[in-house]
Amino acid sequence: NAGVMQNPRHLVRRRGQEARLRCSPMKGHSHVYWYRQLPEEGLKFMVYLQKENIIDESGMPKERFSAEFPKEGPSILRIQQVVRGDSAAYFCASSSIRDKNSPLHFGNGTRLTVT
Amino acid sequence: ELKVEQNPLFLSMQEGKNYTIYCNYSTTSDRLYWYRQDPGKSLESLFVLLSNGAVKQEGRLMASLDTKARLSTLHITAAVHDLSATYFCAVPYNNDMRFGAGTRLTVKP
Repeated sequence: NAGVMQNPRHLVRRRGQEARLRCSPMKGHSHVYWYRQLPEEGLKFMVYLQKENIIDESGMPKERFSAEFPKEGPSILRIQQVVRGDSAAYFCASSSIRDKNSPLHFGNGTRLTVT
Repeated sequence: ELKVEQNPLFLSMQEGKNYTIYCNYSTTSDRLYWYRQDPGKSLESLFVLLSNGAVKQEGRLMASLDTKARLSTLHITAAVHDLSATYFCAVPYNNDMRFGAGTRLTVKP
């Protein structure tokens, strides 16, 4: 029973390039969350999605960042024209609609480095 | 907006000693979660606390929740090196989970 799968594990981009981060939730989970973790800091909420719907994107910067969770395939977090300040670990988590009390299940994260 | 505060942020302790990590939150919630993160790794769920007065124990760790005081504690008993990690508390908020800044625990021999 595969857990939350994120890829790539490490991603290096030059300033101005685009970064695409992928997340496949646990089997049976239809809710996906993206968090950003800066070095030595906690997790900051970015966006919450269900299939084909963005439910809450209040934590996501208004420019350059976008997220989707299509009917088929993984959730994608896209960062356009990356800057050095985007360097961070990006974690995806998933949950099931059936049990609102269960904890979030996290992937191993994508560590983005912008050079 | 919900604020989740942990203290201490850094904790260095010797093996065999006891200590408590505190998590305060600013708005009403009847649920709280504790996670552990090892360096360079993902977050692992430790405890799910679902009501006022809830207490959960796993090995040398015990977590409790006081919803009236908006306070959770994570108590470490007779620490061992394997407990070295960063511990986060998290509180549900709107549609997601809000995390404290984390307590980085180092257990020294």
